[in-house]
Amino acid sequence: SQQGEEDPQALSIQEGENATMNCSYKTSINNLQWYRQNSGRGLVHLILIRSNEREKHSGRLRVTLDTSKKSSSLLITASRAADTASYFCATDPGYSTLTFGKGTMLLVSP
Amino acid sequence: DGGITQSPKYLFRKEGQNVTLSCEQNLNHDAMYWYRQDPGQGLRLIYYSQIVNDFQKGDIAEGYSVSREKKESFPLTVTSAQKNPTAFYLCASSWDSSNYGYTFGSGTRLTVV
Repeated sequence: SQQGEEDPQALSIQEGENATMNCSYKTSINNLQWYRQNSGRGLVHLILIRSNEREKHSGRLRVTLDTSKKSSSLLITASRAADTASYFCATDPGYSTLTFGKGTMLLVSP
Repeated sequence: DGGITQSPKYLFRKEGQNVTLSCEQNLNHDAMYWYRQDPGQGLRLIYYSQIVNDFQKGDIAEGYSVSREKKESFPLTVTSAQKNPTAFYLCASSWDSSNYGYTFGSGTRLTVV
């Protein structure tokens, strides 16, 4: 069963704008991870945030985690056309496999 | 270069045939996973293996089989019992998923003809 649910399903922005994607989940987690998938390719691990962390940065990526609301957000600042991809959140309960959401499709137009 | 390789990239299957998808990794990862991806449904877990000679069913194992005879290899067989096999199949591996996440292959697109 899929635990993470991303919102919105699709997002279209212009280059230079910020993109924000949200993920909600249902049960307790050890950590939450974000992945990126270019069309027709495999997923690439972007960032991992642990349950005791509230915010994490990596380059132009900023991830927040609110365990009380069971939600996370991924912010991509100053988007580029090359950021066009699908973005997935994955929850790790700590004792089993990752569970992936359905993803957000991001289109960044030049 | 270390990585995870899936082959073939595209595969066509006739009705009633079994086909095997290859997944090989040289990352020295203990755990390996098979996911199926359909449009709009995200990734669904088929099988996973945390150690050689051992594997567990995922959420949608019916119609699939796997083996894990070597640490580097985790092939997936799509049997004729799988009624709707057309999908994008992704293999992944991990050493310590709670700290480093999964490494994915580039996928195999299977089409029934």
